[in-house]
Amino acid sequence: SAVISQKPSRDICQRGTSLTIQCQVDSQVTMMFWYRQQPGQSLTLIATANQGSEATYESGFVIDKFPISRPNLTFSTLTVSNMSPEDSSIYLCSVGTARGTMNTEAFFGQGTRLTVV
Amino acid sequence: AQSVAQPEDQVNVAEGNPLTVKCTYSVSGNPYLFWYVQYPNRGLQFLLKYITGDNLVKGSYGFEAEFNKSQTSFHLKKPSALVSDSALYFCAVRDLLWMDSSYKLIFGSGTRLLVRP
Repeated sequence: SAVISQKPSRDICQRGTSLTIQCQVDSQVTMMFWYRQQPGQSLTLIATANQGSEATYESGFVIDKFPISRPNLTFSTLTVSNMSPEDSSIYLCSVGTARGTMNTEAFFGQGTRLTVV
Repeated sequence: AQSVAQPEDQVNVAEGNPLTVKCTYSVSGNPYLFWYVQYPNRGLQFLLKYITGDNLVKGSYGFEAEFNKSQTSFHLKKPSALVSDSALYFCAVRDLLWMDSSYKLIFGSGTRLLVRP
């Protein structure tokens, strides 16, 4: 299994500002994923972050709004830019194993609860 | 495209009674199915998975799930519910994007389980 630390755990931000969420894993992993969970909703994948390459964004998500960094195999950041109240959600970091095989379960951080006012 | 459906928004059960949380799936090829639980203000915790083999899969906290290929279902079960099982439960399927090998998860809408004393 993997232990994932996400910071901050929660924040209240003013509209128009940006927030950077950090995700630290206790082991090296090939793929890291960022999900959004809007209030009362399921999880939606924002992007996949691989070390050494640009992140791959899902339909409806763009790099200018959600820039991602992946400087090494144990760390990633997600920035929520120019925030509006509609960005109020829980943001979750997720990893597979170092081998990233389809048989393995994903592990999740505790999430960052973001409220934009 | 792969998808999962959780037809019930909420399931209510008395403590000590058996519980079932339903999940149906639609995949092309072999399904890779997972169950996760989310407690309030927490991230997702892995419960169990079906990859191949026995149709009855046992997981954490006394939960099990039954894979039924003919009914394309993967229902989560527990013989005797506890009040502490009250949480949000997500069924997920692996999205097999062979082109980019991302192996991301696609989540159902979630089912809130309420176990009353």
